[in-house]
Amino acid sequence: DTGVSQNPRHKITKRGQNVTFRCDPISEHNRLYWYRQTLGQGPEFLTYFQNEAQLEKSRLLSDRFSAERPKGSFSTLEIQRTEQGDSAMYLCASSLDGTSADIQYFGAGTRLSVL
Amino acid sequence: AQSVTQLGSHVSVSEGALVLLRCNYSSSVPPYLFWYVQYPNQGLQLLLKYTTGATLVKGINGFEAEFKKSETSFHLTKPSAHMSDAAEYFCAVSEYSGTYKYIFGTGTRLKVLA
Repeated sequence: DTGVSQNPRHKITKRGQNVTFRCDPISEHNRLYWYRQTLGQGPEFLTYFQNEAQLEKSRLLSDRFSAERPKGSFSTLEIQRTEQGDSAMYLCASSLDGTSADIQYFGAGTRLSVL
Repeated sequence: AQSVTQLGSHVSVSEGALVLLRCNYSSSVPPYLFWYVQYPNQGLQLLLKYTTGATLVKGINGFEAEFKKSETSFHLTKPSAHMSDAAEYFCAVSEYSGTYKYIFGTGTRLKVLA
């Protein structure tokens, strides 16, 4: 169990550029979540995958955001035409049981700064 | 919809003193509740969780929390603070929408004074 891995840890980009983040969940975890955390706030849900299927997207996820989880393993989160308001910490989490009581394991996050 | 309120965005305690971090939730069904800790530049680490059964839950690093349905609270406590407890703490409720996503509070930053 190597934990949830996120890359890169930090990303600085100019407004209007596209960025992509990667999340490698704990192996055999079938559920994967993306959250966004801004300064002074708790993480907010963005989207959820069960295996390769994206089953829910938050209203926070505008059309500029897209997430994939090919083959139900790693996941990518892409932001197109970045805006300064996209600056935040993007957290990935995975879980196994799929019940309300299951525990989500979080990665260290990718901190995005849009200049 | 479920929600979580954490009272006090910043809490300071002296080393050795009692730690009390407050969390109130809103839920129309019995909730599953969690406390996570976040150290600088690290991900969230689970401290403890409440699902069903015993309302006093013990977690790692000497922390515990008590589920009080009548007060809709799930406060986190530790009898004696240690310098290493300085971090940000988040209370979360598991959402009953099929995804089991978490709804987090806004967090409480704990400062431990020597």
